[in-house]
Amino acid sequence: DIQMTQSPSSLSASVGDRVTITCRASQSISNYLNWYQQKPGKAPRLLIYAASSLQSGVPSRFSGSGSGTDFTLTISSLQPEDFATYYCQQSYSTPSWTFGQGTKVEIK
Amino acid sequence: EVQLVESGGGLVQPGGSLRLSCAASGFTFSSYWMHWVRQAPGKGLVWVSRINSEGSSTSYADSVKGRFTISRDNAKNTLYLQINSLRAEDTAVYYCASPNGLGGFDYWGQGTLVTVSS
Repeated sequence: DIQMTQSPSSLSASVGDRVTITCRASQSISNYLNWYQQKPGKAPRLLIYAASSLQSGVPSRFSGSGSGTDFTLTISSLQPEDFATYYCQQSYSTPSWTFGQGTKVEIK
Repeated sequence: EVQLVESGGGLVQPGGSLRLSCAASGFTFSSYWMHWVRQAPGKGLVWVSRINSEGSSTSYADSVKGRFTISRDNAKNTLYLQINSLRAEDTAVYYCASPNGLGGFDYWGQGTLVTVSS
């Protein structure tokens, strides 16, 4: 099975900061990588699919990049509503749509 | 508006069973694969199972294979997850989710909590 490893597990940042979260796959997954945001008590929200495509309705301050094994999610200017946990997910090796362990973005 | 509404969760003893439901509306349910994803308290997301649009093909995470059964009724626009031989480690919020056809899951239900405890 493909393992997905996110780093860091948590980070503290201030409003307006540029934030980068990394996701590494245990083998190449081409661009079959998705990013989600989850707030406490809520369902996950799809932000980015196919590594770099912005889901409809998601603010343009979110962006994704990468291919193969290394991927990044970038928030260009952190907003108060962006404090949440972020997950990557591979959709290359089905039938196992593996998630990363999550990165919690907290207020500094 | 797309809506996915789960139900059927609750408190169950180890070894017990539950059937979770996910009622879909606002899209052509019968055209889409569907998935179940779970999240243990304070933990991350774990994919559980998927079913194709016709209901003829299913797959499961190794941790639930042989105990969980996914099914659907396209006439009722409803997805199901039959969960048997429940263990404490199955305690989680269970979400149904629909894929966007490009790899990601773009619609999610609100989740239903399953608690396995004696």
